[in-house]
Formats: sequence, C-alpha cells, structure tokens
Amino acid sequence: NAGVMQNPRHLVRRRGQEARLRCSPMKGHSHVYWYRQLPEEGLKFMVYLQKENIIDESGMPKERFSAEFPKEGPSILRIQQVVRGDSAAYFCASSPSIQILYGYTFGSGTRLTVV
Amino acid sequence: EDKVVQSPLSLVVHEGDTVTLNCSYEVTNFRSLLWYKQEKKAPTFLFMLTSSGIEKKSGRLSSILDKKELFSILNITATQTGDSAVYLCAVRMDSNYQLIWGAGTKLIIKP
Repeated sequence: NAGVMQNPRHLVRRRGQEARLRCSPMKGHSHVYWYRQLPEEGLKFMVYLQKENIIDESGMPKERFSAEFPKEGPSILRIQQVVRGDSAAYFCASSPSIQILYGYTFGSGTRLTVV
Repeated sequence: EDKVVQSPLSLVVHEGDTVTLNCSYEVTNFRSLLWYKQEKKAPTFLFMLTSSGIEKKSGRLSSILDKKELFSILNITATQTGDSAVYLCAVRMDSNYQLIWGAGTKLIIKP
C-alpha cells in the first residue's frame, strides 16, 4: 500500500498563474481532506470530499480555490490566479469512512511557492 | 471560537533530557485529542486520547488528557536526536472529521 500520494512535492508559480495539486488517497479510502499549513502555524482545514461530492468546503476561500474528487483519478485542489499569500504547504489526508478512529493518514504535502 | 494552543512554541534540549509538551483547548463538543509528529513531511500519528487520566504510552513517549482542565501533555523521556520534530496537537469534535490544530511545538534535541 503506497499510502497517500501527493504531487508535485514542490511547485513554484508566478503571481497570476494557476496551481494544481493532486492527491491520490490510500487504497480503499474514499474520503479525502485538504489542509493548508502556513509557516509556523498549525494545519487549517480547507475541504472534505467524497467521490464526486464536496461534503464540506467551509475552510476554503470562496474565490480562486476549488476542489474535486472525480469518480476516476486523484483529488485535485486548484488555485487560480495565485498570490504570494497562497504560498504554503498543502496536505491531503484520507480515511476509509467518516468514522475516523485514529486520525487521518496524511500525504507528504505539496509546498507551493508563489514568486 | 474553537482553538487549540500549544506551548512552548519551540524548545531546545540536550540528548537524554526529558521534555513535556503542552496542549490546551477550548472547543465545543469535544470528542478526542490527537498528537502527531511532523518531520518536514507528513504528520505521523502518535496518540489519540478520549478519557481523562488514562496514560497512553509508546516507548519513551507518553501522553495524558485532563478533560476537566482542558489540556493534554506529551512526555518524551531520554530524548534522542531523532526526536527532533514539530509536535502537533489536534482536537476532534463531534462533527467526526474536522480537526482543530495547534500551531505545534518545535523540538530540537542537541547531541
């Protein structure tokens, strides 16, 4: 089991470009969660998705950010027209169901740098 | 507003020392508290605590929860350089999936 796979590990974008972050959950996991971590800060919840459904996007900015988890393929976190403040580490986690008994399994994260 | 506060923010000790990391919380509908270790990559799960006064132990690490005073501590005895990491505390509420995270304690163990 390869665990939660995120790519790319590092992503550099110029202001105004689009950033696409991918997350493949663990085998058998159908629930995906995206978190953002700013330097020296804790993880902040962004969005929770199941296959083809957004369950909770209360932590995601309403503009420029979107997320999807299609029937086939990885979950995608998309940031349009990136700004310097979007620079952060973005972590994806997955679980087999909504019943999280021991916390999530996290991916290694994508570090986005906006220049 | 729900919040989780960790202290200290950073800590430098020598190998062999014992450290105590603190996590206090103010949340509605508390369900459990989790500790994670983060070493420049994915946070890895350490402990989950749901009941007051019951110590969880794994090797040199141990943790306990006080639901009356709303805090938890993580102890590491006989520290090693490999213990250097950011230790994150998170609280899970009754919503079942959302975790509220503290900012972490950055622990540096000097040889």
